[in-house]
Amino acid sequence: NAGVTQTPKFQVLKTGQSMTLQCAQDMNHNSMYWYRQDPGMGLRLIYYSASEGTTDKGEVPNGYNVSRLNKREFSLRLESAAPSQTSVYFCASSEWDRGQSPLHFGNGTRLTVT
Amino acid sequence: AQSVTQPDIHITVSEGASLELRCNYSYGATPYLFWYVQSPGQGLQLLLKYFSGDTLVQGIKGFEAEFKRSQSSFNLRKPSVHWSDAAEYFCAVGAQGNNDMRFGAGTRLTVKP
Repeated sequence: NAGVTQTPKFQVLKTGQSMTLQCAQDMNHNSMYWYRQDPGMGLRLIYYSASEGTTDKGEVPNGYNVSRLNKREFSLRLESAAPSQTSVYFCASSEWDRGQSPLHFGNGTRLTVT
Repeated sequence: AQSVTQPDIHITVSEGASLELRCNYSYGATPYLFWYVQSPGQGLQLLLKYFSGDTLVQGIKGFEAEFKRSQSSFNLRKPSVHWSDAAEYFCAVGAQGNNDMRFGAGTRLTVKP
């Protein structure tokens, strides 16, 4: 059982380049999330999708866009990367509303923007 | 919105010693509380959760946590730490219906031989 799968694992971008981070879950979960993790700041929510067909902004959405392609897949796009977006990105899913439902995380994508 | 504080950035304990990691939350109603563990290069894994009922909850890997409403705390404990417990630990607080879970900044645990 793969759980939550993220690709790629590592990525280096130059300022201004674009890229898409892919995420897929095989647990039939309704909700999916994108977080970024920075030292000393814990995890901060970028965007989430409470259910298929819906997306909403989290705490730090600027510079990102998302697509909930279907129930399994939720992608994160950086249109014009900036050094401030250097971070580790985690995709997560939950059966229902994350306020009360535990999150299942992927192994992360380490992104460096130079 | 709810918030959570983990006062200790880094804790070092000897293998076999007991462990307590602190977590304080802020929320007006009854919160949903979680502890997650992150090993290097990995995502976060759920250790345990508290929703209601018994205030002492048991989790995986021999961990437990106690919810104390009067102190707004949800501290994580383990009686005897193993070298494999070295990791970063995150406390999180959620609430029913608002689709919002907030994480603490994390506590890094080092285990000395």
